[in-house]
Amino acid sequence: GAGVSQSPSNKVTEKGKDVELRCDPISGHTALYWYRQRLGQGLEFLIYFQGNSAPDKSGLPSDRFSAERTGESVSTLTIQRTQQEDSAVYLCASSLLWTSNQPQHFGDGTRLSIL
Amino acid sequence: QQQVKQSPQSLIVQKGGISIINCAYENTAFDYFPWYQQFPGKGPALLIAIRPDVSEKKEGRFTISFNKSAKQFSLHIMDSQPGDSATYFCAASRRSGNTGKLIFGQGTTLQVKP
Repeated sequence: GAGVSQSPSNKVTEKGKDVELRCDPISGHTALYWYRQRLGQGLEFLIYFQGNSAPDKSGLPSDRFSAERTGESVSTLTIQRTQQEDSAVYLCASSLLWTSNQPQHFGDGTRLSIL
Repeated sequence: QQQVKQSPQSLIVQKGGISIINCAYENTAFDYFPWYQQFPGKGPALLIAIRPDVSEKKEGRFTISFNKSAKQFSLHIMDSQPGDSATYFCAASRRSGNTGKLIFGQGTTLQVKP
């Protein structure tokens, strides 16, 4: 597609429920990143995929968070037993290669609200 | 060492004026410094980026100035326009570690008054 696509754009769920967030990167981009943006804050790195492997998971805040990528394309970020502090915008980005000078292209995010 | 500190938190500029946003870092391993622009409800969009072997880069009305010895870099928006009103983020990443993850500053909300 023309850009990075994320779904759903908004998700409201009750505390304790599991949620899945989806990212469709730009076709042909080998690197995929997930970031979290709390209200009025900068972006926090969560996890990075090179192909279908995740060499850097250092930003995942707890074992309730997991992610996978399949077919070197779509990625899913799963949050189990959601807590109110998980409320944020979850952003996905992709780049052609993983190297540091490759532009990362962002989707518009999924706004997650935990009641 | 992984932090990028950004200032000011908010900025109000008159149309036609110059907007200046500053960032500082500590990790000398960082080798790529992009600036992103974000409008409400949208994802960040890359504006301009610089490598540490260059002291200045200009693209249209946007200029990055880079001071390697001071470990600081800044974004200058010349002839600021109301359409430039947005949140701006500086970021940094490093070549090593098998990841191109970006470390972001906290953001600057810019308002350009007509």
